[in-house]
Amino acid sequence: EAGVAQSPRYKIIEKRQSVAFWCNPISGHATLYWYQQILGQGPKLLIQFQNNGVVDDSQLPKDRFSAERLKGVDSTLKIQPAKLEDSAVYLCASSLVRLEVYSYNEQFFGPGTRLTVL
Amino acid sequence: GDSVTQMEGPVTLSEEAFLTINCTYTATGYPSLFWYVQYPGEGLQLLLKATKADDKGSNKGFEATYRKETTSFHLEKGSVQVSDSAVYFCATADRGSTLGRLYFGRGTQLTVWP
Repeated sequence: EAGVAQSPRYKIIEKRQSVAFWCNPISGHATLYWYQQILGQGPKLLIQFQNNGVVDDSQLPKDRFSAERLKGVDSTLKIQPAKLEDSAVYLCASSLVRLEVYSYNEQFFGPGTRLTVL
Repeated sequence: GDSVTQMEGPVTLSEEAFLTINCTYTATGYPSLFWYVQYPGEGLQLLLKATKADDKGSNKGFEATYRKETTSFHLEKGSVQVSDSAVYFCATADRGSTLGRLYFGRGTQLTVWP
């Protein structure tokens, strides 16, 4: 079974430029997550989709970050314009839909995109 | 909100040494607890989990017990190998939420020397 795919793996841009990251989740996984992992810190959730709808974007800096998941499969995360503090690894994860409140569906992570903003 | 505090690294051990990585959490609800591992150049992988008090999660020789009274979930392994060198993350998720959001600690870098 193919895992979560992300591209590009590395990206270097200058501040104020725009950048986009792509994620293809595991087939059949309706839930998709984008996390930001700053060096020396744990991943922090930016946005969560269920199918093509947003269920949690409370931590997304909406003035510069946007994300979409057209057709409920692939997703794109965009930063426009980038700041120095956006340098991080951007992780995409996917899971099956959580059917019961007290159940847990494992999140499977992609390899991440390492962004450096100069 | 929920948060996780992990033992700071890096941790350096010789092969076959005993490993403990401490993890404590704060949560408003009754969380599920996890350890994730990130090997060099790879994505995060679930190592083990526990969903209720006194549960013991185990995998690949690693163990962690859900201690509600001390709000802890310490990771242990009796005899580490060079191949265990990785970054280990403790995480929580609110069992009462349908969102499944994970809250991660800072991670602990483990290096095992032969």
